[in-house]
Amino acid sequence: GAGVSQSPSNKVTEKGKDVELRCDPISGHTALYWYRQRLGQGLEFLIYFQGNSAPDKSGLPSDRFSAERTGESVSTLTIQRTQQEDSAVYLCASSLGVHTGELFFGEGSRLTVL
Amino acid sequence: GESVGLHLPTLSVQEGDNSIINCAYSNSASDYFIWYKQESGKGPQFIIDIRSNMDKRQGQRVTVLLNKTVKHLSLQIAATQPGDSAVYFCAENTGFQKLVFGTGTRLLVSP
Repeated sequence: GAGVSQSPSNKVTEKGKDVELRCDPISGHTALYWYRQRLGQGLEFLIYFQGNSAPDKSGLPSDRFSAERTGESVSTLTIQRTQQEDSAVYLCASSLGVHTGELFFGEGSRLTVL
Repeated sequence: GESVGLHLPTLSVQEGDNSIINCAYSNSASDYFIWYKQESGKGPQFIIDIRSNMDKRQGQRVTVLLNKTVKHLSLQIAATQPGDSAVYFCAENTGFQKLVFGTGTRLLVSP
């Protein structure tokens, strides 16, 4: 598609389970970002990938969070041993580069941890 | 630390009015700011940006003003329409497009 695609759009899981969220960036965009948005709040930066450079993981809240990206394509965000405070919308964005261009966001994956 | 905040959580206006949404930032070294619009169930959508070497930038029906002296940013929407109803976020680029977002202002436009 033309935009950033995320799946699943909604995920309900039990506390302690692992979840994987997927992001398909816009073709040709070398930079990919993950943000978290808690209910009624702004977005919090989690991690970004730029080409083949080492990802900037400075926003990941704990070692239960990890992300991978295959080349300049799909990325997955994994949350292990989910906790109730992980409930949020996880948004992915891509751009032409980390220094150029606006961020284009997907519609997000809403995670609910029971 | 860095923070970007908004003064008004909800702004209600009549269709056709001009809207002003305000934002304060705390990092005086910030050199790039962006306004995003987020409709319910969707990701944020870029509206307009401004660099710190400017104090005003205009787009289609929108104007962003930057006052570096008091570290204040505003978004003005002219002739507000019902389709403008959304949550608006200001964001500060801390480098490499790692954005720090404010908590958002909800704009409600009545016909």
